[in-house]
Amino acid sequence: EAQVTQNPRYLITVTGKKLTVTCSQNMNHEYMSWYRQDPGLGLRQIYYSMNVEVTDKGDVPEGYKVSRKEKRNFPLILESPSPNQTSLYFCASSFLATNEQFFGPGTRLTVL
Amino acid sequence: GQQLNQSPQSMFIQEGEDVSMNCTSSSIFNTWLWYKQDPGEGPVLLIALYKAGELTSNGRLTAQFGITRKDSFLNISASIPSDVGIYFCAGLPLRGAQKLVFGQGTRLTINP
Repeated sequence: EAQVTQNPRYLITVTGKKLTVTCSQNMNHEYMSWYRQDPGLGLRQIYYSMNVEVTDKGDVPEGYKVSRKEKRNFPLILESPSPNQTSLYFCASSFLATNEQFFGPGTRLTVL
Repeated sequence: GQQLNQSPQSMFIQEGEDVSMNCTSSSIFNTWLWYKQDPGEGPVLLIALYKAGELTSNGRLTAQFGITRKDSFLNISASIPSDVGIYFCAGLPLRGAQKLVFGQGTRLTINP
């Protein structure tokens, strides 16, 4: 089944404890992206990648890192999480030619 | 950054009624996408539009790419309870630019 998977789906952590949210897609998509969704603010892009080893900042990149060492994986790294990073996070992927992004199921992160 | 104005923000309708929502922008978009998000899930792509004036259907859903390239519309006919959710429009301002701009969403509630 073609899909975007994220892990974990739920995470509660404390301020300053490094964490990684994994994202994987099995559709051979070149493009991958991370978004956060907050009430009243909609979906905001954190980082995106147009291919392996190519990443770029989105609208709200502060406090996040990403890497794209393999085409199928695009992990989101929070080196020192803070409470304002409590949010619902989505990974998405697409072919560059179509721009039709497929979203993962989401990761709900709470930083205490 | 660029913004999409999506309206209405919420709708409360009776089962069986038709639904209309729209997105507008101050700038030209080359691609319009419509997504639906169920509670606790990631957005799911409903319809993709690539040409001005294009009218595309997906079952009871019909979407149009506005002639001015600055707007798009989504209609749902004969609503049913499973149509409940949040509908998002998204646009790409330039072909080849992979930065989707999202609307704030329309929350649809259906009274049986």
